Amino acid sequence: QSVLPQPPSTSGTPGQRVTISCSGSRSNIGRSPVNWYQHLPGTAPKLLIYSNNQRPSGVPDRFSGSVSGTSGSLAISGLQSEDEADYYCAVWDDGLNGYVFGSGTKVTVL
Amino acid sequence: QLQLRESGPGLVTPSETLSLTCTVSGDSISSNIYYWGWIRQPPGKGLEWIGCIYHSGTTYYNPSLKSRATMSVDTSKNQFSLTLSSAIAADTALYYCARDNILTGFHDSFDIWGQGIKVTVSS
Repeated sequence: QSVLPQPPSTSGTPGQRVTISCSGSRSNIGRSPVNWYQHLPGTAPKLLIYSNNQRPSGVPDRFSGSVSGTSGSLAISGLQSEDEADYYCAVWDDGLNGYVFGSGTKVTVL
Repeated sequence: QLQLRESGPGLVTPSETLSLTCTVSGDSISSNIYYWGWIRQPPGKGLEWIGCIYHSGTTYYNPSLKSRATMSVDTSKNQFSLTLSSAIAADTALYYCARDNILTGFHDSFDIWGQGIKVTVSS
């Protein structure tokens, strides 16, 4: 897999919970830790989740990550207007011997 | 505070070599728990991993770049670089350098990113 499939877009109202899926394979998700990034136009991507479900210092606990089999998920609870951004998963692929990124999901806050 | 900064020409002629440098400040590029990577984003598209390098010179590259990519590291200057030979219009992108954390023993995540540099390949 050169790109991990993600839903192109999702949306929610303030306070709602949204989830984003990331579909992998046995050569990546399940063997290596999944990470998630928030990307706002014109800025550097920001690490949200590492090691499947760990948050770096400063990332609100509204963001959570999980892995089940060969799929990863990012959940955003208590959606806020500043969460409107593009979100990408990424994982090391043992077959490719390199990172693969997800196709990206645009989150819109209605 | 760790910072990464990309530098290089913003315009490259097709078939020429695209060359970028990432300067690391606030930490040593020779740390044993980090690789250093390049990622790019073409206009209107998603993120694409280009490659990673360790301070020893060990490298990993995206196979899709078909050997056009070469990375190097200069520990004396705390810098690492990317060259992309035979540049084509499809190489037009926002290029980011980033730190690849391997503290867990895996290539875990890019935890620190530069602000990015826009490179256009055009005559």
